[in-house]
Amino acid sequence: DAMVIQNPRYQVTQFGKPVTLSCSQTLNHNVMYWYQQKSSQAPKLLFHYYDKDFNNEADTPDNFQSRRPNTSFCFLDIRSPGLGDAAMYLCATSFGGRGNTEAFFGQGTRLTVV
Amino acid sequence: QQQVKQSPQSLIVQKGGISIINCAYENTAFDYFPWYQQFPGKGPALLIAIRPDVSEKKEGRFTISFNKSAKQFSLHIMDSQPGDSATYFCAASMSWGAQKLVFGQGTRLTINP
Repeated sequence: DAMVIQNPRYQVTQFGKPVTLSCSQTLNHNVMYWYQQKSSQAPKLLFHYYDKDFNNEADTPDNFQSRRPNTSFCFLDIRSPGLGDAAMYLCATSFGGRGNTEAFFGQGTRLTVV
Repeated sequence: QQQVKQSPQSLIVQKGGISIINCAYENTAFDYFPWYQQFPGKGPALLIAIRPDVSEKKEGRFTISFNKSAKQFSLHIMDSQPGDSATYFCAASMSWGAQKLVFGQGTRLTINP
């Protein structure tokens, strides 16, 4: 089945130690998004790739970076995780353009910072 | 301007009852309004969505009502079932380009058997 796959499902990292979360998709969508969802809160968009173009949200901290080496894969890099970065990180994809399609979400990666 | 306000924060409904969740938006450029269902430890899944050219959309037990002049929309779940117990998020975006979803705060729905 076509889907959005996130790895790992659970990640524990040390305070200040760089961590990378990955996302892959088989939907052939040209837009990929990263959302941060803290406990009992709504998902919040961090940034997205429209094709190869990176689009950062104005309030996304510099600590968060992303890479998209090809259409299928996208990575979220947290350069120096703090305790406040503990959250569920959700990858989503959609087709961009007029009359864009629904956004499909992965199962998320729950990040714990110790 | 970018906010989507959702209420109530939590809702308890008896099995077979009607669950109603309300949302309001400010940005008149929004023209796509989806509802997502999220179970604990899972990613959100699209439940139903509406565009402002219609005032109501129904899919099975789920109905969206949309009031463009009031900038409000709501989700009605008819014949609510215990399996509907989840967190529901309304969202809004523009229907062109990237679908940058602005989510409401979420409603934790519990259906009592």
